[in-house]
Amino acid sequence: DAGVIQSPRHEVTEMGQEVTLRCKPISGHNSLFWYRQTMMRGLELLIYFNNNVPIDDSGMPEDRFSAKMPNASFSTLKIQPSEPRDSAVYFCASNPGTSGSANTGELFFGEGSRLTVL
Amino acid sequence: RKEVEQDPGPFNVPEGATVAFNCTYSNSASQSFFWYRQDCRKEPKLLMSVYSSGNEDGRFTAQLNRASQYISLLIRDSKLSDSATYLCVVRAGGYQKVTFGTGTKLQVIP
Repeated sequence: DAGVIQSPRHEVTEMGQEVTLRCKPISGHNSLFWYRQTMMRGLELLIYFNNNVPIDDSGMPEDRFSAKMPNASFSTLKIQPSEPRDSAVYFCASNPGTSGSANTGELFFGEGSRLTVL
Repeated sequence: RKEVEQDPGPFNVPEGATVAFNCTYSNSASQSFFWYRQDCRKEPKLLMSVYSSGNEDGRFTAQLNRASQYISLLIRDSKLSDSATYLCVVRAGGYQKVTFGTGTKLQVIP
């Protein structure tokens, strides 16, 4: 079975450029999460969606960051304009999103998108 | 105070040793608890859930103390392949908001 798929795996860009990261969650999963990981701050939750609806975006650093989930199988995280301090690994994760004993709460992560902003 | 706190380590232990990690959380309403493992330059993966009564999976034992709001992970008979960063994870809220600790790095030495 396909896991969470993220693209691109690596991105190097210059300050001021727009960056778009993509995520395809596991089929049938209703919750999707975007995380950012840095050495200094660890894994930080940026935003999460349930049934394509953004539930909590309090972790989004500022207006330069935006996320969308136009359908159940696709989400994007956009940074415009990018800055060197945005350099990090961005992970997308999904979860079945249903209540009850069938959902163990496990998050299934993609392999991440490593972003470097020069 | 961080929602989830861990000792960053690194813990350098010889093969065969027993090592324990602790994690504290601040939200008393937290509902679910997990340990994830993250290898270098890889994504986090679930190691085990943590149940109120404590649970064991082979060489790994997880404990939860709700009164003191801490979680522990014990690894017995450490293997070289156990070298990784171990992330404590706490879940609260009806929409499955999860918070990760910054991780504890383990290096098992031959």
